[in-house]
Amino acid sequence: DAKTTQPNSMESNEEEPVHLPCNHSTISGTDYIHWYRQLPSQGPEYVIHGLTSNVNNRMASLAIAEDRKSSTLILHRATLRDAAVYYCILRANGGTSYGKLTFGQGTILTVHP
Amino acid sequence: KAGVTQTPRYLIKTRGQQVTLSCSPISGHRSVSWYQQTPGQGLQFLFEYFSETQRNKGNFPGRFSGRQFSNSRSEMNVSTLELGDSALYLCASRISTGGSYEQYFGPGTRLTVT
Repeated sequence: DAKTTQPNSMESNEEEPVHLPCNHSTISGTDYIHWYRQLPSQGPEYVIHGLTSNVNNRMASLAIAEDRKSSTLILHRATLRDAAVYYCILRANGGTSYGKLTFGQGTILTVHP
Repeated sequence: KAGVTQTPRYLIKTRGQQVTLSCSPISGHRSVSWYQQTPGQGLQFLFEYFSETQRNKGNFPGRFSGRQFSNSRSEMNVSTLELGDSALYLCASRISTGGSYEQYFGPGTRLTVT
């Protein structure tokens, strides 16, 4: 699986936007970019995913670079409940890869009141 | 809809024993994946089951095994427990049709091996 690189930690203030970067320079043309987060004492939670175009949902936005070698997860207004470890994951398309996620170390997001 | 449930939530075992963990996926989800989470190695994929068949397997020794039943419920078994097997074991379910990619994780089973 292609690898991703994320900062170990980031900090934000409540109600401010947060931009979480992810580098994936070895991404292949069919790899999807997924983001999951893990709140303390919980299992990971799906946030968003995309292939080439920017994506928005109720939780966040995903901005994908034109060359797809990097992406940014955007939380528009951070809340204390957004404090979590955020994982950027590349998932190969098709075949037996659907059920397998390869997690890196993720970014620990701290949100200050 | 009820989420993914895992039982038991906490378990303490002794080295050399075996353990069975259970996972009930979200209703209608046919794919179940298992992961191990430790402070040192992070989240690592164990295996995935779909329609009672193992479809994908991670890099774990044969002491780790699993199965899936016709109702999509899944169990994983670890035999001859070692201290290093102490971890949070997570299962995740997925619809597995229509190009769905989201995995829904349970709260995990915390296994402590002494």
